[in-house]
Amino acid sequence: DAMVIQNPRYQVTQFGKPVTLSCSQTLNHNVMYWYQQKSSQAPKLLFHYYDKDFNNEADTPDNFQSRRPNTSFCFLDIRSPGLGDAAMYLCATSKSGGRDGELFFGEGSRLTVL
Amino acid sequence: GESVGLHLPTLSVQEGDNSIINCAYSNSASDYFIWYKQESGKGPQFIIDIRSNMDKRQGQRVTVLLNKTVKHLSLQIAATQPGDSAVYFCAENRGYSTLTFGKGTMLLVSP
Repeated sequence: DAMVIQNPRYQVTQFGKPVTLSCSQTLNHNVMYWYQQKSSQAPKLLFHYYDKDFNNEADTPDNFQSRRPNTSFCFLDIRSPGLGDAAMYLCATSKSGGRDGELFFGEGSRLTVL
Repeated sequence: GESVGLHLPTLSVQEGDNSIINCAYSNSASDYFIWYKQESGKGPQFIIDIRSNMDKRQGQRVTVLLNKTVKHLSLQIAATQPGDSAVYFCAENRGYSTLTFGKGTMLLVSP
């Protein structure tokens, strides 16, 4: 049974048209992450929430925002997608106090920008 | 101009062989490492981890070796199976499970 669910799995948008990707989890984990993974590259951390505390990576563009309205849900907003934002976006969760490094990933949302 | 995609290092093995995937890191203060497996079209999946106070850790068919002197770790997969075909990433935990992933190696297992 899927524990980290991402929607949509595939998203096509036009250059500059805002996009929202969603992530939900049934694990009740308090930490949620968004990673960006471009073709044939490693996942790159954009930001994470530790409970309600938002932690942005220093090199994450301002174009990327996130919301976490409750424990179960987290959203990634791309305000004005550019061609370079085409990628797989991975949501992950972890349990603080659990085994460090054991992130539970969703299947990803693949974004295409036309 | 024409864009050129990055190519992952690839390891091709025969079914039943042992596989060794390598990873180098640069931060000598790093103290916790994890190996992830990513199958095509899926998210990464935790395989095994190791802390810097160890130099070897074994799981089911997998072993991770850590050499702190040369800042190198490896993942050994015994009796490789077609289902092991995937991209393998080493990752460093920076704290609060914020991971920095290495470049990845594609493992191709042929019957």
